[in-house]
Amino acid sequence: DQQVKQNSPSLSVQEGRISILNCDYTNSMFDYFLWYKKYPAEGPTFLISISSIKDKNEDGRFTVFLNKSAKHLSLHIVPSQPGDSAVYFCAARGTSYDKVIFGPGTSLSVIP
Amino acid sequence: GAVVSQHPSRVICKSGTSVKIECRSLDFQATTMFWYRQFPKQSLMLMATSNEGSKATYEQGVEKDKFLINHASLTLSTLTVTSAHPEDSSFYICSAPPGQAPGYTFGSGTRLTVV
Repeated sequence: DQQVKQNSPSLSVQEGRISILNCDYTNSMFDYFLWYKKYPAEGPTFLISISSIKDKNEDGRFTVFLNKSAKHLSLHIVPSQPGDSAVYFCAARGTSYDKVIFGPGTSLSVIP
Repeated sequence: GAVVSQHPSRVICKSGTSVKIECRSLDFQATTMFWYRQFPKQSLMLMATSNEGSKATYEQGVEKDKFLINHASLTLSTLTVTSAHPEDSSFYICSAPPGQAPGYTFGSGTRLTVV
């Protein structure tokens, strides 16, 4: 049973525009939701997180929105840059030191 | 920031041999470390959770006798792939929580190829 879902395997966006990556989850007990950026043959890099008690968290060009009633979160990147091209994983975990569960990932291509 | 150093970055071994992968937390103590594997174009699948000084907890379907995990100190966890076969070829990544921070730190990964 997939607890974290990313239904779009890929996304193409023009440079300067907004990228919106979506994620759905099934486990209402998750405490934190996380977004990671990953390049091939490298470990994931942590981007931004949001606590389950918040509905928005912003860090520079990255904003994550959480809709608990819909069990849905999204990552907004604005403006999108070619260097943002990578695979983005939505992930979730319970309390501190709990395991992190990953979604299948969305490959983002930002076209110059 | 918190760094997890993972070695080797890539290894090729013969079928039937064993390979050890090391993960070290460089500037924090990792009482817990997580081991993942990733097949091409797929997600990161959690294999096991290692806790310093105790036995690792394996996810369903992961053979504990094949993937030996040791977490002997607060800064070092190792994964040994025993009697490796070509189907064990994959990208293995470790991760550790750097204190109370929400996002865990990941190693750079190990590309294992079994020939």
